[in-house]
Amino acid sequence: DTGVSQDPRHKITKRGQNVTFRCDPISEHNRLYWYRQTLGQGPEFLTYFQNEAQLEKSRLLSDRFSAERPKGSFSTLEIQRTEQGDSAMYLCASSPTRGDRNYGYTFGSGTRLTVV
Amino acid sequence: KQEVTQIPAALSVPEGENLVLNCSFTDSAIYNLQWFRQDPGKGLTSLLLIQSSQREQTSGRLNASLDKSSGRSTLYIAASQPGDSATYLCVVDTGKLIFGQGTTLQVKP
Repeated sequence: DTGVSQDPRHKITKRGQNVTFRCDPISEHNRLYWYRQTLGQGPEFLTYFQNEAQLEKSRLLSDRFSAERPKGSFSTLEIQRTEQGDSAMYLCASSPTRGDRNYGYTFGSGTRLTVV
Repeated sequence: KQEVTQIPAALSVPEGENLVLNCSFTDSAIYNLQWFRQDPGKGLTSLLLIQSSQREQTSGRLNASLDKSSGRSTLYIAASQPGDSATYLCVVDTGKLIFGQGTTLQVKP
């Protein structure tokens, strides 16, 4: 296992188009997180999954955003009708948990989205 | 509401210096605290993880301490090198991660 993988690394899209990103977490990690980072800022929480269940969703995530983790393994983040303000780095992280406790997060390299 | 603050926001030092990055958080109810490194345009690389029951962790030239009662953590970098130049993020785990704004470090040859 080589860590958390994200695909694609870069995506340029026209405003109004839909885009989908994929994240493959470390195989034994049951939690998976999505964050968004804009230039010069720290990452902002979007949503997270415990296995296949989506447990929390940030108010930052408008109804144009949807995330899934259908089999509790990989996850997809879809943005519909993209806007220029969606341009950012989208980071995925995974962590192993026992009960409510996390034991450290591993981040992927991110997907950089540019909406033109 | 948990807030994480990092000081300084930016730091420039000559190669070889020892340096300390500071992180403070407002709520001591945390599971753990993690220091990450981020290079420009890249993802986050984990440096050190300190569980809430621990006081410090060490890895190579890096040492991180945690004082939950005072809401503080420090990252100590010994004998800094130009390759250490990056943004360092302090991240508190409360069930989800709360990020500081980072300290951008430049180590000059």
